[in-house]
Amino acid sequence: AQKITQTQPGMFVQEKEAVTLDCTYDTSDPSYGLFWYKQPSSGEMIFLIYQGSYDQQNATEGRYSLNFQKARKSANLVISASQLGDSAMYFCAMRGRGGGNKLTFGTGTQLKVEL
Amino acid sequence: EAQVTQNPRYLITVTGKKLTVTCSQNMNHEYMSWYRQDPGLGLRQIYYSMNVEVTDKGDVPEGYKVSRKEKRNFPLILESPSPNQTSLYFCASSRRDRVTDTQYFGPGTRLTVL
Repeated sequence: AQKITQTQPGMFVQEKEAVTLDCTYDTSDPSYGLFWYKQPSSGEMIFLIYQGSYDQQNATEGRYSLNFQKARKSANLVISASQLGDSAMYFCAMRGRGGGNKLTFGTGTQLKVEL
Repeated sequence: EAQVTQNPRYLITVTGKKLTVTCSQNMNHEYMSWYRQDPGLGLRQIYYSMNVEVTDKGDVPEGYKVSRKEKRNFPLILESPSPNQTSLYFCASSRRDRVTDTQYFGPGTRLTVL
C-alpha cells in the first residue's frame, strides 16, 4: 500500500521568503511518481510539479522546486520568494501502478503568506 | 481548451434522494477517476475507469455507483445519499500512456446531504 505523510498542518511565511513544505512517502513499487498540488480557497486543484522515481535531478518549475531524497523517501516542496497569492492548501501525492493512474494524497499543509 | 467539467458545482440535498454528478472531459483521455476530499483526510479515490465499460472500485466506493458508456463522460451516482457523503468531490482524467502526466482535475462539486 502507498502512503503519503505531511506532518505540517499549517505554516506561516513572510512575503519574499522561501518556505519548505514537507512530504514523506512509503511504497513498495520500484517505479512511482510524486506530485504537488495547490488548492486555493476557491477549491480547484492546481498541478505544480512532478518528480519521477528514476529522475536523477530534482524537478523545478519556476519558483517551485522539489527536493527529492529517495533514500529518505522524502519529496519536499520548496517555494522561493513567497507571494501573497501562494496562500493556499498544498497537497503532496504519489502515483504508483494500478488504480487507473490513482493518486494517493497526503492530508495537506495550509500555507499562509504574511506581509 | 482542454478541461474537465463537473455539474453541478454546488448541491444541497436530503437523505435518500438519488442524485447524479456529471463529469466530462474533452482530451480523449482513457483514464477517469472520482475522488472525495474531507478535512484532515486529503483526497481519496472512490471509483476509476480505464476505458469505456471498464470501471473498478477505489479506496472508498461504498454508497456510490459509476458508469462509463462514452469515453468523455464518467458520472457519479449516489442512489441513496447519507450525511456522511457530504464532501467535496473531484473528477479527474489522464492519459493511459503518459505516466508522467498529472491528472487533470475538474473544478469540484461541493455536496451537502441533510
